[in-house]
Amino acid sequence: DAGVIQSPRHEVTEMGQEVTLRCKPISGHDYLFWYRQTMMRGLELLIYFNNNVPIDDSGMPEDRFSAKMPNASFSTLKIQPSEPRDSAVYFCASSAYRGKVNQPQHFGDGTRLSIL
Amino acid sequence: ILNVEQSPQSLHVQEGDSTNFTCSFPSSNFYALHWYRWETAKSPEALFVMTLNGDEKKKGRISATLNTKEGYSYLYIKGSQPEDSATYLCAFNNAGNMLTFGGGTRLMVKP
Repeated sequence: DAGVIQSPRHEVTEMGQEVTLRCKPISGHDYLFWYRQTMMRGLELLIYFNNNVPIDDSGMPEDRFSAKMPNASFSTLKIQPSEPRDSAVYFCASSAYRGKVNQPQHFGDGTRLSIL
Repeated sequence: ILNVEQSPQSLHVQEGDSTNFTCSFPSSNFYALHWYRWETAKSPEALFVMTLNGDEKKKGRISATLNTKEGYSYLYIKGSQPEDSATYLCAFNNAGNMLTFGGGTRLMVKP
């Protein structure tokens, strides 16, 4: 079975450019999560969706960050304009929650983002 | 902000040694406690999801226990092997499906 698929794997871009990260969750999963991993703060939740609806975006650092989930099989995380402090590894994860708290989250391989 | 602490931050052991590390979390509003294994340059992989006080779970040489009343979980590795080298993350679920991750314990097993 295909796991969570993220693209691109690596992105290097200049400060001020728009960056779009993409995620395809596991088919049938009803929750999708975006995380950011940095040395300073570890793995932190940015936003999550349930059945394509954003539920909690309190982890999104500022208005430069936005996320969408137009359908059950695709989500994007956009940074506009990007800044060097946005450099991190961004992970997408999905889970088949359906009210059962014992469901694990399945992570993609991450996008390593470097803003110069 | 939820406080999920893991100790130690890093650990070096010899092949064949058994080891354990700790995850502490708030003892209120408990839904579940997750353990993940995260190898360098890969993505975190779920080991266990524990929901009941007193739960014990086992997968091969790795096992975990849970105490929700006092807010801690232990992860044990019996007879460590070099391929066990990874960062082990715990994550606390206190509402719905949101996880708060600890900082991880980085385990290095020397052959």
